[in-house]
Amino acid sequence: GQNIDQPTEMTATEGAIVQINCTYQTSGFNGLFWYQQHAGEAPTFLSYNVLDGLEEKGRFSSFLSRSKGYSYLLLKELQMKDSASYLCAHINDYKLSFGAGTTVTVRA
Amino acid sequence: DTGVSQNPRHKITKRGQNVTFRCDPISEHNRLYWYRQTLGQGPEFLTYFQNEAQLEKSRLLSDRFSAERPKGSFSTLEIQRTEQGDSAMYLCASSLGRGGNRSGEKLFFGSGTQLSVL
Repeated sequence: GQNIDQPTEMTATEGAIVQINCTYQTSGFNGLFWYQQHAGEAPTFLSYNVLDGLEEKGRFSSFLSRSKGYSYLLLKELQMKDSASYLCAHINDYKLSFGAGTTVTVRA
Repeated sequence: DTGVSQNPRHKITKRGQNVTFRCDPISEHNRLYWYRQTLGQGPEFLTYFQNEAQLEKSRLLSDRFSAERPKGSFSTLEIQRTEQGDSAMYLCASSLGRGGNRSGEKLFFGSGTQLSVL
């Protein structure tokens, strides 16, 4: 995705914690989304940050720093079903622009 | 809430043929989006509707591509004279569209139509 950088792949063990970083550059900014996408399926909404700070939702948390153009998604107590691609996206007006996604593989 | 529905799920066609995909958004969602996704990449924006009005088309959308949303409900995406480079997953998404242009409304995606051009 244009001006959105996130690692291509990450591997972690079941029960562990993984942090997926995302940096972005954009002229207009109305928020930062994280989506989860299993292979062959639709992306599904995980989180939305518009103000700086940490948003916690169960095992998943998302952080935003607007001044640094930086966000991360934190996945705790990893489960096998968390193996998927995680997409960082910023919204400018009405349009969501996505990064290439980070493929997370959870090993037993 | 039946979610965003797309059909067909898969389409195989020969180069040069025309194809049409359909998207039924979540009812009462005013905004409808088309994205394209290739393997290992994130979705790329193609076009966007607010009700029946097509408000933006990406430069990725060549003249061979046309999208409509005639009654502000379902939408169709047609690709004429398909090329092998058109092979991709075509995703449709919708959102409520009541927060104004600068809202952070989340998009709900359909499962996509996987196009293979031989």
